[in-house]
Amino acid sequence: NAGVTQTPKFRILKIGQSMTLQCTQDMNHNYMYWYRQDPGMGLKLIYYSVGAGITDKGEVPNGYNVSRSTTEDFPLRLELAAPSQTSVYFCASRGFSSYNEQFFGPGTRLTVL
Amino acid sequence: AQSVTQLDSHVSVSEGTPVLLRCNYSSSYSPSLFWYVQHPNKGLQLLLKYTSAATLVKGINGFEAEFKKSETSFHLTKPSAHMSDAAEYFCVVSDRDDKIIFGKGTRLHILP
Repeated sequence: NAGVTQTPKFRILKIGQSMTLQCTQDMNHNYMYWYRQDPGMGLKLIYYSVGAGITDKGEVPNGYNVSRSTTEDFPLRLELAAPSQTSVYFCASRGFSSYNEQFFGPGTRLTVL
Repeated sequence: AQSVTQLDSHVSVSEGTPVLLRCNYSSSYSPSLFWYVQHPNKGLQLLLKYTSAATLVKGINGFEAEFKKSETSFHLTKPSAHMSDAAEYFCVVSDRDDKIIFGKGTRLHILP
């Protein structure tokens, strides 16, 4: 199993550009999450999904959109990049029970200039 | 409502001495509790988890944690610190409402 994979690893965007961060998991997990981590800070939840076709906002959803058309994929879309979105983005997945731990991807480091 | 408090933002210990990273939680239900480690410029890796079985939980790399319901604590310990333990550690609570709450993290520094 590859686990949770994220692409790209690094990206530099100009203000106002758009991009999609890709996240794929091969563990057949129902739950998937997007977090952002600012330098020296903890994780903040952007969006999450409890299954294909179902998404919900987290703590900091503004400026982002998600979709979940398949169990495996959970892309995160930035429509109009702003410097405040400079961060490291982590995708995670988890099995159905709250007893299950989250599995994290390696992260995407995004810089908006 | 759930919450997690990591009582120290930074902890420094000398190599070979014990490590204690403190975590207190609140939850309306019987929670699941997790400790994750994040090494510099890396993703998060599970160290150990408590899911209502044994209250003393052993994890990877010699770490363990004890669930104490009366004290609402889940402190992480290791008998002897190694230089490779220098990292950020996150305490996480999850309950049956599927809310997952992260602590703010504790940065562990290992002094030679």
